[in-house]
Amino acid sequence: EAQVTQNPRYLITVTGKKLTVTCSQNMNHEYMSWYRQDPGLGLRQIYYSMNVEVTDKGDVPEGYKVSRKEKRNFPLILESPSPNQTSLYFCASSPGDYSWGSPLHFGNGTRLTVT
Amino acid sequence: GQQLNQSPQSMFIQEGEDVSMNCTSSSIFNTWLWYKQDPGEGPVLLIALYKAGELTSNGRLTAQFGITRKDSFLNISASIPSDVGIYFCAGLSNFGNEKLTFGTGTRLTIIP
Repeated sequence: EAQVTQNPRYLITVTGKKLTVTCSQNMNHEYMSWYRQDPGLGLRQIYYSMNVEVTDKGDVPEGYKVSRKEKRNFPLILESPSPNQTSLYFCASSPGDYSWGSPLHFGNGTRLTVT
Repeated sequence: GQQLNQSPQSMFIQEGEDVSMNCTSSSIFNTWLWYKQDPGEGPVLLIALYKAGELTSNGRLTAQFGITRKDSFLNISASIPSDVGIYFCAGLSNFGNEKLTFGTGTRLTIIP
């Protein structure tokens, strides 16, 4: 089944403790992206990747890192989490042939709480 | 970055009623997309619009790409309980990368 898999689904951590949220897709998509969803703010892009070893900042990249060493994986790294990073995070991928409107396939989300 | 104003923020309707929501932008988009997010899941694409003025249907859903390319609306006819969720519009500016800007969402609740 074609899917985007995020882990973990839920994570509670403390300020300053490094964490990684994994994202994997099995559709051979070139484009991958991370979003955070907050009430009243919709989905905001954190980082995206057009292909292996190519990553770029989205609208809200501060406090986050990503890597794209393989096509299928796009982990989100929080080196020193802070309470304002408490949010619902989504990973997404698309074919990346840059045809307009190629749909984003979303994972089921990771709810992160930083205390 | 670009911002999309989506309204209303929330809707409480009775089953069988029609629903209308819209999205406006201060800048032009080349593509408009409408996504739905069910509780506990990621958003799923409902409708994609590629041309100004385009009107597209998907079952009980109808969406239009505004002539000015700065707005779009989504209508749902004869709502049913499974329509509950958050609806997001998204605009695509294809200027060198596929960057989607999402609206703030419309939360739809259906009253039995």
